[in-house]
Amino acid sequence: SSELTQDPAVSVALGQTVRITCQGDSLRIYFASWYQQKPGQAPVLVIYGKNNRPSGIPDRFSGSNSGNTASLTITGAQAEDEADYYCNSRDSSGNPFGGGTKLTVV
Amino acid sequence: QVQLQESGPGLVKPSETLSLTCTVSGGSISNYYWSWIRQSPGKGLEWIGHIFYSGSTGYNPSLKSRVTISVDQSKKQFSLNLTSVSAADTAVYYCAREVTTVTMSAFDIWGQGTMVIVSS
Repeated sequence: SSELTQDPAVSVALGQTVRITCQGDSLRIYFASWYQQKPGQAPVLVIYGKNNRPSGIPDRFSGSNSGNTASLTITGAQAEDEADYYCNSRDSSGNPFGGGTKLTVV
Repeated sequence: QVQLQESGPGLVKPSETLSLTCTVSGGSISNYYWSWIRQSPGKGLEWIGHIFYSGSTGYNPSLKSRVTISVDQSKKQFSLNLTSVSAADTAVYYCAREVTTVTMSAFDIWGQGTMVIVSS
């Protein structure tokens, strides 16, 4: 079965750029989607497909893909971006999630 | 705008069946996959399975033997049954709309989630 691997924690200085990565074999075939989750709240879709943002998601969020790695980049991180971020992708057996990355904005 | 609302018991006894329903409002249930996703306390997201509006299903291999997802188009509802539950099934259960193409899928709309505790 496919696995998606994320770094457990990443930190970024306020206003700087941070990249959160997701690795997995399925990403060679399928694009990842990315979700932001704040404590006590449901996840929110922030990036999907090649590099698409749902309505209402700030343009500082972007996505990219290379080989077996998908990346979520936040350019000019804000305090409100502090959250858990999860990647997800289709694979042959379903729609697994990565383990999540806790982003701290310092 | 489309909204999803989970409903069902918040407490289930070990070895019994967990049953939840998700009601779709503000839009059509047609032409989409509809998913169940859970999150154990302090843990990450786990995809449970999904159903196309017409009834075809897909399940997480690790849960497949215990999971059934069904849909009622007339009521704009889809449901989750998870049998033989244990404490490990204690989690917040989310329903979500899944947008799927040849190259991707994404959960664009989520319910607020419902906490289910498995305990005697």
